[in-house]
Amino acid sequence: NAGVTQTPKFQVLKTGQSMTLQCAQDMNHNSMYWYRQDPGMGLRLIYYSASEGTTDKGEVPNGYNVSRLNKREFSLRLESAAPSQTSVYFCASSGEMGQPQHFGDGTRLSIL
Amino acid sequence: RKEVEQDPGPFNVPEGATVAFNCTYSNSASQSFFWYRQDCRKEPKLLMSVYSSGNEDGRFTAQLNRASQYISLLIRDSKLSDSATYLCVVNPYGSSARQLTFGSGTQLTVLP
Repeated sequence: NAGVTQTPKFQVLKTGQSMTLQCAQDMNHNSMYWYRQDPGMGLRLIYYSASEGTTDKGEVPNGYNVSRLNKREFSLRLESAAPSQTSVYFCASSGEMGQPQHFGDGTRLSIL
Repeated sequence: RKEVEQDPGPFNVPEGATVAFNCTYSNSASQSFFWYRQDCRKEPKLLMSVYSSGNEDGRFTAQLNRASQYISLLIRDSKLSDSATYLCVVNPYGSSARQLTFGSGTQLTVLP
């Protein structure tokens, strides 16, 4: 009963490095999301995918790209990491847009 | 005006107390409403949906006031384990299925 699985759980990068955060869900959900959460702040939507084959920008997409690889997997890529991207990243999924979302347990990313 | 606004707190209450949180939303066409809880350094988890007639789940009661555009969460007989941040979540786009908007959260600490 995995739900939403994110990898890695922790990562430290140097400024300018690239990396991809992985997310997979086993609930046969159509919609998937990437959020970031900074200390003491709320969730901010980076990108979302309403269904397989579509992706759209959220509130804070700059510096990120996404790929909806298939129905299960939705990855987030940082092409050239910056210290301002230090954050906790959450992936979520829902049956359809507007329905309750189920979250992975997060990736804690530090960029030096 | 933010789409979803919450009093950030913190609310510090003794064990056994009753505590209530309010959340206001800006779009009168909003259709779906939820409460999530988020424990420190953990992912948000769905606590309960909010229905038009109000609904109860054990010690938790959620209510919707469309006229004043707010939802509320009442916790009775508070337990130490209720200490968390409570997130108000709204689909602000009416019947059009869109991504949810998360409030910044209200922090609750239940004291022994």
